[in-house]
Amino acid sequence: QSVLTQPPSVSGAPGQRVTISCTGSSSNIGALYDVHWYQQLPGMAPKLLIYANTKRPSGVPDRFSGSQSGTSASLAITGLQAEDEADYYCQSYDRSLSGVLFGGGTKLTVL
Amino acid sequence: QVQLVESGGGVVQPGRSLRLSCVASGFTFIDDAMHWVRQAPGRGLEWLAVISYNGGNKFYANSVKGRFTISRDNSKKTLYLEVNSLRAEDTAMYYCASDRGGTGTTTLGFAYWGQGTLVTVSS
Repeated sequence: QSVLTQPPSVSGAPGQRVTISCTGSSSNIGALYDVHWYQQLPGMAPKLLIYANTKRPSGVPDRFSGSQSGTSASLAITGLQAEDEADYYCQSYDRSLSGVLFGGGTKLTVL
Repeated sequence: QVQLVESGGGVVQPGRSLRLSCVASGFTFIDDAMHWVRQAPGRGLEWLAVISYNGGNKFYANSVKGRFTISRDNSKKTLYLEVNSLRAEDTAMYYCASDRGGTGTTTLGFAYWGQGTLVTVSS
C-alpha cells in the first residue's frame, strides 16, 4: 500500500487537459520534500518527467507541468496527445521511513 | 551518452540468492547516489534501496531489509544488489537508477534509469 496516493486511472481526449493528483502526508510532501514525476511507456523503463515539484528536464515538452501545495502535488498535461498514453508515478522522500516512496501509479488513457 | 546496464537476473528457485549488477557510463558515477527499484508484473514501482555517492549511507525499504544488500564499486562504476532468500513475490523487473541527491537522505529525482533485469523466482 503506497503512502503516496494517486488515482488509478485518468482519461482525456486529444487536445484536452488532464491532471493527476498525488496525496501524501506530513512526513513526506508536507515536510517539504520535493515531489518528482515519472512517465512509463508500455514495456519501457520510467523516465523523469518533472523534478523538484515544478522543473522539467531538458527535452520534456512544456505541455507537462507540476505543482505542489501542502501535502499534495499534481501533474498537469495540456494539449493531450496519443503518445502521452502511459503510466505516471509521483515520488518523494519520507522521513519516517528514511526512504523513497512512489505513488501507486496512474494510467492515462487518451480517448 | 548515459547508460546504466543491469545484469544478473534470471530464473531462480525459492530460497536461493542472486547478485544483480548495474554498470554506469556517460555521467559522473561517483557524484550520484544510486537506487534499486523493482516492478512486479502488472504492478507499480517499488523502491528497494539507496546507497550514497561514497557508499557511506545505505537505506532499505522495510519489505527487503535484512534480505537485500546494496553496494557499489566506484572504481568500476558498478552498483550491486545482493538478494537472498528469494520468494515468489520477489519476481519482478529490477531497475537501477541514479540520483543527484548524493547522500541518499533525500532524493533529487532519478535522472537516469537502466532497462532492467528480470528476476523470476520459481521452482
